[in-house]
Amino acid sequence: QQQVKQSPQSLIVQKGGISIINCAYENTAFDYFPWYQQFPGKGPALLIAIRPDVSEKKEGRFTISFNKSAKQFSLHIMDSQPGDSATYFCAASKRQAGTALIFGKGTTLSVSS
Amino acid sequence: GAVVSQHPSRVICKSGTSVKIECRSLDFQATTMFWYRQFPKQSLMLMATSNEGSKATYEQGVEKDKFLINHASLTLSTLTVTSAHPEDSSFYICSAREGRNSPLHFGNGTRLTVT
Repeated sequence: QQQVKQSPQSLIVQKGGISIINCAYENTAFDYFPWYQQFPGKGPALLIAIRPDVSEKKEGRFTISFNKSAKQFSLHIMDSQPGDSATYFCAASKRQAGTALIFGKGTTLSVSS
Repeated sequence: GAVVSQHPSRVICKSGTSVKIECRSLDFQATTMFWYRQFPKQSLMLMATSNEGSKATYEQGVEKDKFLINHASLTLSTLTVTSAHPEDSSFYICSAREGRNSPLHFGNGTRLTVT
């Protein structure tokens, strides 16, 4: 499988702070980059996704920044809340039917109150 | 929004037995579904791509005779873990996409414990 590298492995942020998670990919054919949030014992839930024709996408407190030339993208969680404590996965794929997502290793975020 | 339902959510079986996990797309048709496996505190690893009406495509290192996949309809894919062993204990998650430009939605996973 093509690799997607994610960092950091774990992150502790104070309530109200900004959480930043970074990912890098290798395959230049990837054209779809989602972020998923997973709580213990549950399946991943889509948070936000971006395509390479834009450099930034914002939905509420969540923002994806995308750098095509560097093959990197990041998730920013503004005003982090204790309820945001979860594991976050970046992923990448070719955006076509029948193509699976390749996931990063995940980041465990803990937001302290 | 699109919903993917997975059943059972949790199963415990004895070593040597087989277990079937169902994945259903509740409000859309999915010609392709994906099966992932997740070990504790690790990432999701793609096991196989399930194609309606044809054979599944397995990732390298995944035994097709051990992990039987059947995608008999546009709303149902099943994963059968045959002759389960304790090392097969894991969290199995299915996913499906409604259409080409739709996001991938995941079921809530099945926690398999083989004793």
